[in-house]
Amino acid sequence: GAVVSQHPSRVICKSGTSVKIECRSLDFQATTMFWYRQFPKQSLMLMATSNEGSKATYEQGVEKDKFLINHASLTLSTLTVTSAHPEDSSFYICSARTAADTQYFGPGTRLTVL
Amino acid sequence: GESVGLHLPTLSVQEGDNSIINCAYSNSASDYFIWYKQESGKGPQFIIDIRSNMDKRQGQRVTVLLNKTVKHLSLQIAATQPGDSAVYFCAEIQNTGTASKLTFGTGTRLQVTL
Repeated sequence: GAVVSQHPSRVICKSGTSVKIECRSLDFQATTMFWYRQFPKQSLMLMATSNEGSKATYEQGVEKDKFLINHASLTLSTLTVTSAHPEDSSFYICSARTAADTQYFGPGTRLTVL
Repeated sequence: GESVGLHLPTLSVQEGDNSIINCAYSNSASDYFIWYKQESGKGPQFIIDIRSNMDKRQGQRVTVLLNKTVKHLSLQIAATQPGDSAVYFCAEIQNTGTASKLTFGTGTRLQVTL
């Protein structure tokens, strides 16, 4: 099946700093990628839809200035958590959609903000 | 700090027995459903899917049943193995016209005892 990677897998940062997470589709092109957030023992919540070459679409309640999304190519989307705070600590997961409308998920990035 | 949320329901099953994991979905307009398996610290893995015009689909050791009347989905795992221990999520997909949107259920933790 299709492979989606995320980098880094784990990141620890100080409060107030910004963190960038990359999501790559390794063997297919994805015009659409999705970013999810998952707190411990909870389900995945969609944060935003990332569209190649255009602005991301954010879900209600997600601050677009806080979570910057860039989808500069058909294989790469980035999520930048700006001015991170401890409450932003979470597991961030991306997915990439194939032309057949199937979503493949990345392995996730564990963000810990001290 | 960490958000306080619902704890995942847990299903404990003895190795070799069959497991049945249930899910209630919310949108009667959803036309496609997927079961995902998520191991600790990893992204969701596709298990099996079913379209809304079907009521049953079988895979290798897994069967998905769909009851649209009561908006209920179930995943049956035959001869459960220790490697099946994970959190299982159902997801419903709604075609919004421009893009399909995937919404995850709350999840069930499956514990396989020896």
